[in-house]
Amino acid sequence: SQQGEEDPQALSIQEGENATMNCSYKTSINNLQWYRQNSGRGLVHLILIRSNEREKHSGRLRVTLDTSKKSSSLLITASRAADTASYFCASRASNTGKLIFGQGTTLQVKP
Amino acid sequence: GAGVSQSPSNKVTEKGKDVELRCDPISGHTALYWYRQSLGQGLEFLIYFQGNSAPDKSGLPSDRFSAERTGGSVSTLTIQRTQQEDSAVYLCASSLSQGGGEKLFFGSGTQLSVL
Repeated sequence: SQQGEEDPQALSIQEGENATMNCSYKTSINNLQWYRQNSGRGLVHLILIRSNEREKHSGRLRVTLDTSKKSSSLLITASRAADTASYFCASRASNTGKLIFGQGTTLQVKP
Repeated sequence: GAGVSQSPSNKVTEKGKDVELRCDPISGHTALYWYRQSLGQGLEFLIYFQGNSAPDKSGLPSDRFSAERTGGSVSTLTIQRTQQEDSAVYLCASSLSQGGGEKLFFGSGTQLSVL
């Protein structure tokens, strides 16, 4: 498959808890990005981490990248009901411009 | 425009008919992508345009699928002789360029239903 792998496929937590999603990819990359999708339509960009970076923060988001394991994780701290959505990682291979998405993790945050 | 615009937002067609899906990217964005998403699934890459370079068509599932980008702006994805398995949301995205603003801006998609 051209797509990366994400786990878990679904995650259900209580408001205030942290949510961790993992992503694996297949080729050498220039960067890896995380996107959020509400209601199965357009995606919104959350954060980008380059291949020479190991960790990046943006508000309540923390992304890590391990190029030796070809994996990344997205941590959402102090989750809110409004964080309920599907989250996708997307990797841009070093030798191509196309962005390949993972299967996604569906997050439900219960109030 | 203010964002990526896709039309129509919904399209119902009969098996065997041809359909055209349109994407208006953000003005000035040189890269344009088409993806397909089946219900509850991830995004399947279809095709990628970057400036005046030859498009990357490696994701098109069959020769019934084709796409054009005229004048480096508007793009049209055409599906000929539609099949029921073509039913999905077709998403378009644009970005400034690979070297600078690599993040993608997505349209709201076209929901295609083939009866």
